[in-house]
Amino acid sequence: EAQVTQNPRYLITVTGKKLTVTCSQNMNHEYMSWYRQDPGLGLRQIYYSMNVEVTDKGDVPEGYKVSRKEKRNFPLILESPSPNQTSLYFCASSPPGQGARGTEAFFGQGTRLTVV
Amino acid sequence: RKEVEQDPGPFNVPEGATVAFNCTYSNSASQSFFWYRQDCRKEPKLLMSVYSSGNEDGRFTAQLNRASQYISLLIRDSKLSDSATYLCVVNRDRGSTLGRLYFGRGTQLTVWP
Repeated sequence: EAQVTQNPRYLITVTGKKLTVTCSQNMNHEYMSWYRQDPGLGLRQIYYSMNVEVTDKGDVPEGYKVSRKEKRNFPLILESPSPNQTSLYFCASSPPGQGARGTEAFFGQGTRLTVV
Repeated sequence: RKEVEQDPGPFNVPEGATVAFNCTYSNSASQSFFWYRQDCRKEPKLLMSVYSSGNEDGRFTAQLNRASQYISLLIRDSKLSDSATYLCVVNRDRGSTLGRLYFGRGTQLTVWP
C-alpha cells in the first residue's frame, strides 16, 4: 500500500531535549516536505527536499533541522525543543510536477508534539 | 500578503444545500491549483485538482479565474459526510519552488441534518 509513515504519532517532551520525528514514504517520490499546523494559522512549510541531499528552508525553519540521505526518508530534528514548537506536524511526499497540472501531495497521519 | 487567502468560515448548512468556497492567491506565477479536504485532526487529502477550464467531480465543481487569481469550490446537495475543512492549495511549478505547495488556512464546513 502506497503510504507516508510518520513516527511517533504522539509525543510529549521537555524543553531542550533533542528529538527526531521520522518520515518514510514507499512511493519513490522525489519531493518531500514537513509542515506544522497551528489553530488559525493553517499549514506552514518548515523544510522541503527536492531529492536526496537537496534540502531547503520553507516558511518557518527556525528551530528545526532535516536531512535527506535516502530517497524514502526525511526525518525532522528538533535539537532543542521549546514550547512554541508544540504543534501538529505533517510530512508529505509527491512526485515531480507534470507541466501545469502539478502533483498530488500524500501526507502522513501527523505527529502531535507537546513541549512542556 | 499571504500567498493564499480563504474565508475561514465556519459555514453551517443543512443537508441538501449548495455551498461555495472562495480562495484568492497572490502570485501570478502559480501554475497548478487544488482543493484538499481535512477531517478533524487528520491528514489533508486531495479532493480535486482545479483546471483552467473548470472541472466537475460528482457533486463538486471547481473553477479557476487566472485573471482575478481566484479559485472556487462548489458543493451541491451537501451530505453530512462533507463536514470537514477545505484547503485551497497552489503550486508554483517553475524553478526552485518546483513541487512546493502553498496552503490557505482552510474553510470549515459543517453540514447538519
